[in-house]
Amino acid sequence: DGGITQSPKYLFRKEGQNVTLSCEQNLNHDAMYWYRQDPGQGLRLIYYSQIVNDFQKGDIAEGYSVSREKKESFPLTVTSAQKNPTAFYLCASSKLDSGANVLTFGAGSRLTVL
Amino acid sequence: AQKVTQAQTEISVVEKEDVTLDCVYETRDTTYYLFWYKQPPSGELVFLIRRNSFDEQNEISGRYSWNFQKSTSSFNFTITASQVVDSAVYFCALSEEGDSSYKLIFGSGTRLLVRP
Repeated sequence: DGGITQSPKYLFRKEGQNVTLSCEQNLNHDAMYWYRQDPGQGLRLIYYSQIVNDFQKGDIAEGYSVSREKKESFPLTVTSAQKNPTAFYLCASSKLDSGANVLTFGAGSRLTVL
Repeated sequence: AQKVTQAQTEISVVEKEDVTLDCVYETRDTTYYLFWYKQPPSGELVFLIRRNSFDEQNEISGRYSWNFQKSTSSFNFTITASQVVDSAVYFCALSEEGDSSYKLIFGSGTRLLVRP
């Protein structure tokens, strides 16, 4: 079945460490997105990519980095510059022809900074 | 600026009650799309429905129904005869045809608890 796989599901990090969250899709979607979810704040867009080797900042990109070397993969690195990284991170993908496209989401990765 | 507001942070009902989740949106685009997603405790967002700005017909799918009113910029979601399995966080979201990123702008979500 086609879908999005995120790993790890749970991740603990010490302050000052970078961590990378994996996102892989086999839906042949062109667009991929990373959202951050905090309690009571909904989902906020971190980065998105519409084509290989290109990506754009979202609303809260500071302290994060991404790459898009393959169509199927869009990893997110949470750097030590991110002041409050503890959150639930969701990866999504969609076709790229209209705002009507439905985003398909992964199961998420929960990052806790100790 | 685009914005989605879900004023109800948390709703608690007893099983078999009807419940309505409110969603109000703001956009300057004339072509836009509204979505509802369900987030069960597992965390993954599940797509429920999409409406475009030119189609104000209400929609019913089983126990779920949606009321889209452009005059009040609202897209409310009603669950009839609620069940314990409906317990989840529900998100309303907006995308604009004029935004080439086609990103979704989410409301803050409404947590629904259905008690047996």
